[in-house]
Amino acid sequence: QVQLLQSGPEVKKPGASVKVSCKTSGYPFVNYFIHWIQQAPGQGLEWMGVINPSGASPTYAQKFRGRLTMTKDTSTSTVYMELSGLTSEDTAMYFCVRLDYFRSGEPFDYWGQGTLVTVSS
Amino acid sequence: DIQMTQSPSSLSASVGDTVAITCRASQTISNYVNWYQQKSGKAPQLLIYAASSLESGVPSRFSGSGSETDFTLTISNLQPEDFAIYYCQQSYATPRTFGQGTRVEIK
Repeated sequence: QVQLLQSGPEVKKPGASVKVSCKTSGYPFVNYFIHWIQQAPGQGLEWMGVINPSGASPTYAQKFRGRLTMTKDTSTSTVYMELSGLTSEDTAMYFCVRLDYFRSGEPFDYWGQGTLVTVSS
Repeated sequence: DIQMTQSPSSLSASVGDTVAITCRASQTISNYVNWYQQKSGKAPQLLIYAASSLESGVPSRFSGSGSETDFTLTISNLQPEDFAIYYCQQSYATPRTFGQGTRVEIK
């Protein structure tokens, strides 16, 4: 079965960087784009960016451009999201999600369990 | 960017009620709208894709309608496990944007 398993919670100081992993399984890794979604405490869902596991450059939301880097390791079917220059506003849950572009509507059909990143001095 | 305006932001309803949540896109997006349910402390789950198609395993009391700019999620015969937050999302263009969410609470 399809699974997206994310790394555990992180606590970081302001100005630091965090790298969150998302290990996928149960489907051909290179066939599906992986997106990242941010959810601040008590807030809604904000799209951060997307990575194409088959090789094209990632696309990032304007809000995160310059601080966000998405990478992949095809050998382990894992994608990574690294956010630098952390501030308290980056305290949030981060989700990796699979986009099913084979279906009409191109929904986000599988979600990771989420990784809580807390930024605190 | 395409803005998705969801309403209401919250509603109170009783078990057995029928509720409707609407989502308006800032430009025409055909049927590229999906709906998700999020329960406290969990990842969102896909309910409806392509505006009106029911995701496998989702109860038939959930339905979706609409096209172009106006979309509706309807929950019939509301059950206790349906009290949650619901989000619409467009996949017509990047960035893939979400509505601000609708909290469905028990009256």
